[in-house]
Amino acid sequence: GNSVTQMEGPVTLSEEAFLTINCTYTATGYPSLFWYVQYPGEGLQLLLKATKADDKGSNKGFEATYRKETTSFHLEKGSVQVSDSAVYFCALSDKNAGNMLTFGGGTRLMVKP
Amino acid sequence: EAGVAQSPRYKIIEKRQSVAFWCNPISGHATLYWYQQILGQGPKLLIQFQNNGVVDDSQLPKDRFSAERLKGVDSTLKIQPAKLEDSAVYLCASRPVSSYNEQFFGPGTRLTVL
Repeated sequence: GNSVTQMEGPVTLSEEAFLTINCTYTATGYPSLFWYVQYPGEGLQLLLKATKADDKGSNKGFEATYRKETTSFHLEKGSVQVSDSAVYFCALSDKNAGNMLTFGGGTRLMVKP
Repeated sequence: EAGVAQSPRYKIIEKRQSVAFWCNPISGHATLYWYQQILGQGPKLLIQFQNNGVVDDSQLPKDRFSAERLKGVDSTLKIQPAKLEDSAVYLCASRPVSSYNEQFFGPGTRLTVL
């Protein structure tokens, strides 16, 4: 079956530091890949997505590239801000499974001023 | 455009009691999902509806959980009777036909079973 593995947190960084959150996946077909973000007290929000190999998703300074050869979709940001503190979830969607989302366990990011 | 609405936001019950959650998806979204998110874990799909029909309920513990979407719009998820391990956030999401992948999530209902 499909699965997503992401690095465990918490990840603690100082403001303006470089961020990488690793994500790898296992899928039987050709999934779409997503990063969702959950700010404290709020629901899940789509951060970025990529629907095919070598696609790069980007939003709010965050980027992730769909790497089929390494089955990875690592999230990066060049300079984090305190307001980026949240829990980040990597997920895949398989159109052969009703587009249901399979999530990783989440990575909590804490950015200190 | 209004987002996915869920109520209540918080619920505390004792084990063996019953509880129901309500979801109103974004207008026009044909597909609706219920997820369970246990603290410290990623959300896990419980059930998926397409209009008022069930597409996938393979992960739903049917001995105690039930869900319906009678008119293809609002949905309710019920737990009867609740167990301690049901303590979690229950998330509702919806997706329009035009967006092949993106799901829009509600704020969730945090359930605590004592």
